[in-house]
Amino acid sequence: GAGVSQSPRYKVAKRGQDVALRCDPISGHVSLFWYQQALGQGPEFLTYFQNEAQLDKSGLPSDRFFAERPEGSVSTLKIQRTQQEDSAVYLCASSLRGLRSNQPQHFGDGTRLSIL
Amino acid sequence: AQKITQTQPGMFVQEKEAVTLDCTYDTSDQSYGLFWYKQPSSGEMIFLIYQGSYDEQNATEGRYSLNFQKARKSANLVISASQLGDSAMYFCAMRSLNYGGSQGNLIFGKGTKLSVKP
Repeated sequence: GAGVSQSPRYKVAKRGQDVALRCDPISGHVSLFWYQQALGQGPEFLTYFQNEAQLDKSGLPSDRFFAERPEGSVSTLKIQRTQQEDSAVYLCASSLRGLRSNQPQHFGDGTRLSIL
Repeated sequence: AQKITQTQPGMFVQEKEAVTLDCTYDTSDQSYGLFWYKQPSSGEMIFLIYQGSYDEQNATEGRYSLNFQKARKSANLVISASQLGDSAMYFCAMRSLNYGGSQGNLIFGKGTKLSVKP
């Protein structure tokens, strides 16, 4: 399809393991966002890319979280040494334009991460 | 700092009736955008409607309309003729459109769970 694609859909990991979550945005979309959604809450911003440049990573909760988008399309969110509080749904969104755009962000189905 | 407040954790509506979901916001930006998203139990976030802070008319998209009251800083979503498939979580969100402001990430409220009764 033409929407934002995230994989895996579900991920279970043991505490201390590293995980990698993938996002494939809509083709041609300049902006890519990662959000974290805890159970029963609204999504919270993690980081933002404009093409391959990571312009804002102010929402990343710790230095265990790392994101990249090396060729300006697919993005990977990596969490090292996972902890139980990392359990959440991780949503990726993309939009056509960058700064100061009124374009809506289109979301993927998310990756539900459970840390045991 | 920007903030979105949704004061209704849950709402019930009879099928075919209209329902209003409340949203108030706080921002010091002059230019901003307001969005509503629907999140069914399957998890995807579905964009519903957008209102710009300088738009003079209230936005409408099919059965969705946005009751925008700028002075009150409210952006309520009205769903007309509710359908069973409207049962979901609804999130109000805001994005700065100011030059030099944030990169435009969305600030979300905590959501309202809408249940449509047959």
